[in-house]
Amino acid sequence: SAVISQKPSRDICQRGTSLTIQCQVDSQVTMMFWYRQQPGQSLTLIATANQGSEATYESGFVIDKFPISRPNLTFSTLTVSNMSPEDSSIYLCSVESRDRGRTNYGYTFGSGTRLTVV
Amino acid sequence: KNEVEQSPQNLTAQEGEFITINCSYSVGISALHWLQQHPGGGIVSLFMLSSGKKKHGRLIATINIQEKHSSLHITASHPRDSAVYICAGETSGSRLTFGEGTQLTVNP
Repeated sequence: SAVISQKPSRDICQRGTSLTIQCQVDSQVTMMFWYRQQPGQSLTLIATANQGSEATYESGFVIDKFPISRPNLTFSTLTVSNMSPEDSSIYLCSVESRDRGRTNYGYTFGSGTRLTVV
Repeated sequence: KNEVEQSPQNLTAQEGEFITINCSYSVGISALHWLQQHPGGGIVSLFMLSSGKKKHGRLIATINIQEKHSSLHITASHPRDSAVYICAGETSGSRLTFGEGTQLTVNP
């Protein structure tokens, strides 16, 4: 299955600033997913990033607040813009992980970025 | 109403006990995934189910498509099984909708 390197692992940021989170995958993948996990809650999908096209955002998330880049099939970034304390969450990227030649698959997740906005 | 609902929210067990976590999902979900989130936040994919039953070690996952219900069982539970277990429904475009998670604590 794929291996994802996500960074930074954590950061403390001032309100009004922006933070860019990077995910590097060790293999080419068509879709990358970005999730947010607010304190004490489960994950919520922010957007799906496809290479060569604009990301598809879920209801409640907009490109101006969470711009995403997907320059190639192994890399993506998520920027949290104009941050406020309400943006304090764990942000994770994920890819579908399919064993070659098999129909079984799962998802591989990055280790997460723990963001605190003060 | 969430498309994926799981129960219980919290579960405490003694080492060796048989554990069951339940998940109900709504129409439009093509596959059901079970994930494990460790205290440090890392998430591991355990199972993908579209029918039947799967087993890996002490973990067993079942799905009833007619009833839109899935269960995750842990046999002979161990303190190292302590984690948050999450069921997630896969919808169009391989997108996942997550349940609220079950915090499992296994005491020695």
